[in-house]
Amino acid sequence: GAVVSQHPSWVICKSGTSVKIECRSLDFQATTMFWYRQFPKQSLMLMATSNEGSKATYEQGVEKDKFLINHASLTLSTLTVTSAHPEDSSFYICSARSGSSVYSPLHFGNGTRLTVT
Amino acid sequence: DQQVKQNSPSLSVQEGRISILNCDYTNSMFDYFLWYKKYPAEGPTFLISISSIKDKNEDGRFTVFLNKSAKHLSLHIVPSQPGDSAVYFCAASARNAGNNRKLIWGLGTSLAVNP
Repeated sequence: GAVVSQHPSWVICKSGTSVKIECRSLDFQATTMFWYRQFPKQSLMLMATSNEGSKATYEQGVEKDKFLINHASLTLSTLTVTSAHPEDSSFYICSARSGSSVYSPLHFGNGTRLTVT
Repeated sequence: DQQVKQNSPSLSVQEGRISILNCDYTNSMFDYFLWYKKYPAEGPTFLISISSIKDKNEDGRFTVFLNKSAKHLSLHIVPSQPGDSAVYFCAASARNAGNNRKLIWGLGTSLAVNP
């Protein structure tokens, strides 16, 4: 089946530093990847849609200068949390569609637990 | 405004019995619905989906029912197994959502299947 690999699975960083999270589709090409964030006991919140070779589309309220997304190839998208603050601590999850149809289900990575101290 | 609602935050079922997870939606433009299962500290795993042109879709122990007039769908798991214990998310997408078909998620229902 379609596999999405996310790295790292957890990271602890100091306030003010930047953290990069990688999302790879291992056995399929993904022209579009999605970045989500989940707070405890809340649902998944879509942050941005990452399109290969073009700028990401950010959801309302998500700062594009703080959450930098790069989708340089058909198998890799990265999310960089710049100048991280404790309120950025969260569970970040990426996903990608394995098929070209918009009805193809999303496949998710295992998420990255970010803790900013 | 929560367009996809899972009103039961938790559900407890005995092993071997049926688990029924419910989901309601408000947006009449939703035409595609999915169920995902999520274990702690992992990403969601796709379970089953249904298009609005159908009212039932079955895959092994999992069946999804869609009632468009009531804007309601449900996921039935039978027989339930302890390994089914997880959080189940209902998600929907709209026909007017553009090429990327953004998913709108419910808050999830935590299912516990007791041996």
